[in-house]
Amino acid sequence: DAKTTQPNSMESNEEEPVHLPCNHSTISGTDYIHWYRQLPSQGPEYVIHGLTSNVNNRMASLAIAEDRKSSTLILHRATLRDAAVYYCILREPQQGAQKLVFGQGTRLTINP
Amino acid sequence: DAGITQSPRHKVTETGTPVTLRCHQTENHRYMYWYRQDPGHGLRLIHYSYGVKDTDKGEVSDGYSVSRSKTEDFLLTLESATSSQTSVYFCAIKGPSGTYNEQFFGPGTRLTVL
Repeated sequence: DAKTTQPNSMESNEEEPVHLPCNHSTISGTDYIHWYRQLPSQGPEYVIHGLTSNVNNRMASLAIAEDRKSSTLILHRATLRDAAVYYCILREPQQGAQKLVFGQGTRLTINP
Repeated sequence: DAGITQSPRHKVTETGTPVTLRCHQTENHRYMYWYRQDPGHGLRLIHYSYGVKDTDKGEVSDGYSVSRSKTEDFLLTLESATSSQTSVYFCAIKGPSGTYNEQFFGPGTRLTVL
């Protein structure tokens, strides 16, 4: 599986936008980019995914570089509840179990 | 929230004893997974199942076995627990292939092996 690189930690203020970067220079042409997050003492939860185009949903936006070697998860207006570890994961579009390989992620701290 | 529960939620056991963790889902999803998470690390896949009686190994399967006798239950067994298996264990489920289906995770089981 192709590897992703994320900063270990980031800090932001409540009600401000947050941009979480992810580098994936060895991404293949068919790998999907996924983001999950893990709130304290909980299991991970799905945030968003994309292939080539930027994506938006109710939780966040995903901006994908034109060469697909990096991507950015954007939280438009952070709240205290967004404090979590965010994982950027690459997945091949194969049929079947679609196993996820988690790295260490970025621990996001939100200041009130 | 996806209907996925894990039991027990906490367990303390001694080295050498057998331990079974249960994952139960009410979503009728085909795929089920067991992960472990150690301090400061992301999740690592132990075993997964792609149907009743169909299972396969993940990244860190040594020392673990699994069984799935019905769609809703996926059991993880430590035949003889060791201190290195002290961890938080998460179960996950996923719908059928075709379109992308995210994995839904359970609340986790904290296992301590003394």
